[in-house]
Amino acid sequence: QQPVQSPQAVILREGEDAVINCSSSKALYSVHWYRQKHGEAPVFLMILLKGGEQKGHDKISASFNEKKQQSSLYLTASQLSYSGTYFCGTERAFGNEKLTFGTGTRLTIIP
Amino acid sequence: DSGVTQTPKHLITATGQRVTLRCSPRSGDLSVYWYQQSLDQGLQFLIQYYNGEERAKGNILERFSAQQFPDLHSELNLSSLELGDSALYFCASSPRLAGVLEQFFGPGTRLTVL
Repeated sequence: QQPVQSPQAVILREGEDAVINCSSSKALYSVHWYRQKHGEAPVFLMILLKGGEQKGHDKISASFNEKKQQSSLYLTASQLSYSGTYFCGTERAFGNEKLTFGTGTRLTIIP
Repeated sequence: DSGVTQTPKHLITATGQRVTLRCSPRSGDLSVYWYQQSLDQGLQFLIQYYNGEERAKGNILERFSAQQFPDLHSELNLSSLELGDSALYFCASSPRLAGVLEQFFGPGTRLTVL
């Protein structure tokens, strides 16, 4: 079942913060985050495993709440280069061998 | 550049026709995944191959088929094409079979069915 992402779209000014959420109705083993710029391929950001581990990558970090089956992606002090569509991909179990992606969140950063 | 190559970059064809999309994974990667992305839609998983064998299937239509060859490149065959098949088709690869692996996406093939 496809995870639900919110918001669907957000517009921020450079330097502002954003939070993108990804929720699943099923138990998850891991959540993957990707960013796709218009006309380009998705690019991997990070993977979070069940256990609530929080990860960071430059000014982008994420958390995974196993009890709620929800992951959140945090973008702080956003830069113009952060613009794009963010997808979460969920993995139901180790070795499940496929990711189910959400419908995406379109982030636009304006100067 | 992810190291994954896809050809052709663009493909324009007519309804009812058959096309083949090609993907070469990163050097050393054994897993290949195919995804379909329609306009303003998310990534829909189609099928996965590992070292030549089919490992997982998603919402792949019966008109579509794929295979992975001994040199690990993969082909996605789309037949009896319909207007609704117009989409961006991505191939991705990862090093091992499964479990907490990032996928490296190719640049995609944009298919337009007229």
